[in-house]
Amino acid sequence: SAVISQKPSRDICQRGTSLTIQCQVDSQVTMMFWYRQQPGQSLTLIATANQGSEATYESGFVIDKFPISRPNLTFSTLTVSNMSPEDSSIYLCSARTGSVSNYGYTFGSGTRLTVV
Amino acid sequence: AQTVTQSQPEMSVQEAETVTLSCTYDTSESDYYLFWYKQPPSRQMILVIRQEAYKQQNATENRFSVNFQKAAKSFSLKISDSQLGDAAMYFCAFTNAGNNRKLIWGLGTSLAVNP
Repeated sequence: SAVISQKPSRDICQRGTSLTIQCQVDSQVTMMFWYRQQPGQSLTLIATANQGSEATYESGFVIDKFPISRPNLTFSTLTVSNMSPEDSSIYLCSARTGSVSNYGYTFGSGTRLTVV
Repeated sequence: AQTVTQSQPEMSVQEAETVTLSCTYDTSESDYYLFWYKQPPSRQMILVIRQEAYKQQNATENRFSVNFQKAAKSFSLKISDSQLGDAAMYFCAFTNAGNNRKLIWGLGTSLAVNP
């Protein structure tokens, strides 16, 4: 199965700054997803990132705050911009992997972000 | 709207015993996929088991099996011979088979395994 390398694994950032999270997949994938997760809670989808098109954002998330890049079929970045303590969370990337008839979703190991 | 409900926020099981985690979902789609994911304290999301809606046979993966009741929209996970390493958050998730294949997630069940 595919492997996703996500970095950084954790960071402590000052409010008002930005952090870019990177995800590298070891195979080509069409669909990638970015999630936010509070500790002990479920995942909230931020956006879906397809190569060659603008990311599709879920309600409550906007491109100015969470710009996403998807330059090729193996890589994506999520930037958390102008951070505030409310942005402290775990951020996860995911990709749909496998064949059309037998697919699953693989995840990166997450980025724990603390904004101070 | 498509929803996934996990009604058990916390469960516990004795080592070597069997436990069943419940999941129900709501959809008007006929073709979809269901998943159980495990998330230990390391945060890594690990696929436990996957079920295609068109398959009547319940999926199994070693000690993990599901009871898929399509008419009842129920997708429970049974863990047999529980091990200490099974302790984790377990999430049930759903996706339709169309172009919009984002996952819909349940709130999770925290499973404790007692030695």
